[in-house]
Amino acid sequence: DTGVSQDPRHKITKRGQNVTFRCDPISEHNRLYWYRQTLGQGPEFLTYFQNEAQLEKSRLLSDRFSAERPKGSFSTLEIQRTEQGDSAMYLCASSSSLAGALYEQYFGPGTRLTVT
Amino acid sequence: GQSLEQPSEVTAVEGAIVQINCTYQTSGFYGLSWYQQHDGGAPTFLSYNALDGLEETGRFSSFLSRSDSYGYLLLQELQMKDSASYFCAPRGDDKIIFGKGTRLHILP
Repeated sequence: DTGVSQDPRHKITKRGQNVTFRCDPISEHNRLYWYRQTLGQGPEFLTYFQNEAQLEKSRLLSDRFSAERPKGSFSTLEIQRTEQGDSAMYLCASSSSLAGALYEQYFGPGTRLTVT
Repeated sequence: GQSLEQPSEVTAVEGAIVQINCTYQTSGFYGLSWYQQHDGGAPTFLSYNALDGLEETGRFSSFLSRSDSYGYLLLQELQMKDSASYFCAPRGDDKIIFGKGTRLHILP
């Protein structure tokens, strides 16, 4: 399977704990995006990388959120001191940065986070 | 600022045709994508319009009018498996923006 993969698929944590999610993009894609989605809403942009460089981070993202893509391949998203409002589906997507391909993003299955 | 409007829900009958409209306002507009998402699934890419006009891909077609900041997705010969949420996603600068989506219900 050469699609986007995410791990874990489900995470239940207690408020105040830290969590880390992993995303493995399609191997030839150099763009990687993180989104958050809640019920009845569309994916909300969090941040994106081109290779290992984090090029943009949503202003809505608090300092408790951090993302890395150290070698330009897989990426991790960490949430520190989780709050109940962080409960959501966290989606990762990848795309090529070639002209004409930026609009076509391939999404992983997501990590569903529940904060109790 | 940025805004995106599409109907929250649409209902149609199996075998019929349905159109989902989208109006947008975004900086640095490059084109309009459409994505489909089934319950519990991830969004999947359907189509993209960079230029004005109609793009056809099988039973699905997408239209864009840049001057009107308007687009639509047309689904023909509806099948039950088309029951899903559909997102228009304008591409601005280096990312695409998703709205709340349109929930399509299909009746047998």
